[in-house]
Amino acid sequence: QKEVEQNSGPLSVPEGAIASLNCTYSDRGSQSFFWYRQYSGKSPELIMFIYSNGDKEDGRFTAQLNKASQYVSLLIRDSQPSDSATYLCAVGNEKLTFGTGTRLTIIP
Amino acid sequence: EPEVTQTPSHQVTQMGQEVILRCVPISNHLYFYWYRQILGQKVEFLVSFYNNEISEKSEIFDDQFSVERPDGSNFTLKIRSTKLEDSAMYFCASSYTKGLAGNEQFFGPGTRLTVL
Repeated sequence: QKEVEQNSGPLSVPEGAIASLNCTYSDRGSQSFFWYRQYSGKSPELIMFIYSNGDKEDGRFTAQLNKASQYVSLLIRDSQPSDSATYLCAVGNEKLTFGTGTRLTIIP
Repeated sequence: EPEVTQTPSHQVTQMGQEVILRCVPISNHLYFYWYRQILGQKVEFLVSFYNNEISEKSEIFDDQFSVERPDGSNFTLKIRSTKLEDSAMYFCASSYTKGLAGNEQFFGPGTRLTVL
């Protein structure tokens, strides 16, 4: 059974600070890793994807991948109240396996 | 910006009835997916579809479920005889490829299915 694990939170971060979200996965053969944001009652919205070990930056977001440790993370710099949402880690090339999500709250 | 669309946004049905959920994937995408999310739970894969046939399906996708691409734009999920436990948000997604680069899946807004 392929598993994706996330800390469910809630994670509270002051506005302007860095939010750090973590995810581990069980399938060593996984090649594609995604971070989605989901607001309550809405669909997952793609934020970042990463395929290679190391860091990938896109604006205030940085995804980090360590395949040896089977670990992927998302950093959000200069956190804004609008970043408050559930962040879903997803793994897979075709079929995506999702984690349960981490609920993030940015405190003004 | 291209997006995946889904109809209806909310479907209420009686147990045992058939429902069809509709999706229009992004126009140049070739891979199509259905996922579901039971309230308070994780997003779960149901089925993937490519070149007019099922590519992969999960244990959830039993004989009560079927998918079809009846024309060049629509992608449908049919549940033949709904059960109470089918109540969930159903998301359609599409991607250009399934290999690295281009396999990002974009999700539609979802259909909330309520089975009474």
